[in-house]
Amino acid sequence: TQLLEQSPQFLSIQEGENLTVYCNSSSVFSSLQWYRQEPGEGPVLLVTVVTGGEVKKLKRLTFQFGDARKDSSLHITAAQPGDTGLYLCAGGLRGGGNKLTFGTGTQLKVEL
Amino acid sequence: GAGVSQSPSNKVTEKGKDVELRCDPISGHTALYWYRQSLGQGLEFLIYFQGNSAPDKSGLPSDRFSAERTGGSVSTLTIQRTQQEDSAVYLCASSLGQGAIYEQYFGPGTRLTVT
Repeated sequence: TQLLEQSPQFLSIQEGENLTVYCNSSSVFSSLQWYRQEPGEGPVLLVTVVTGGEVKKLKRLTFQFGDARKDSSLHITAAQPGDTGLYLCAGGLRGGGNKLTFGTGTQLKVEL
Repeated sequence: GAGVSQSPSNKVTEKGKDVELRCDPISGHTALYWYRQSLGQGLEFLIYFQGNSAPDKSGLPSDRFSAERTGGSVSTLTIQRTQQEDSAVYLCASSLGQGAIYEQYFGPGTRLTVT
């Protein structure tokens, strides 16, 4: 059973387009993180959100944590080829101890 | 400063052989995690070490998998009698504190191929 479902699974867009990646669950998370992973490397943290309804902006990336803390979204404005990579959401389950539950991943490709 | 390092970067082994994968965490990080990642997929939690506490082994898929962390630093993940379904990238991460909210710093992974 996958606790965190991401959509879409694959996304191929042109440079300059906007996109949104979704991370959904039926479980409540105490915190949620977004990571980006490039081929041959480990994931790198982009942001951590902890409050329901929280919105964080990181340059062209906007992250939102759902009011009920069961879902999150990542919006990229004016995508660039450097944004290409595997985007992973990961959450700390309430009562789940200290480990992160990772989402299924969204593979993004931004072409010139 | 040095990040998390893992060795070997690639390992090809025959079915039935044992393998050991090594992780050197960031100095001073008390928490250490092992994950498994299939091609282009999310990460599957395997095991978690925090200081001197008993490890959380709840993610280990079978008793062929084991891990230890010596002296609160280096960790070794051992897979006995490898099977083809064990083929994956094994990622190690470390973090400063105890809890899912802390940033995890990942190593580059070990790509294991079982033939």
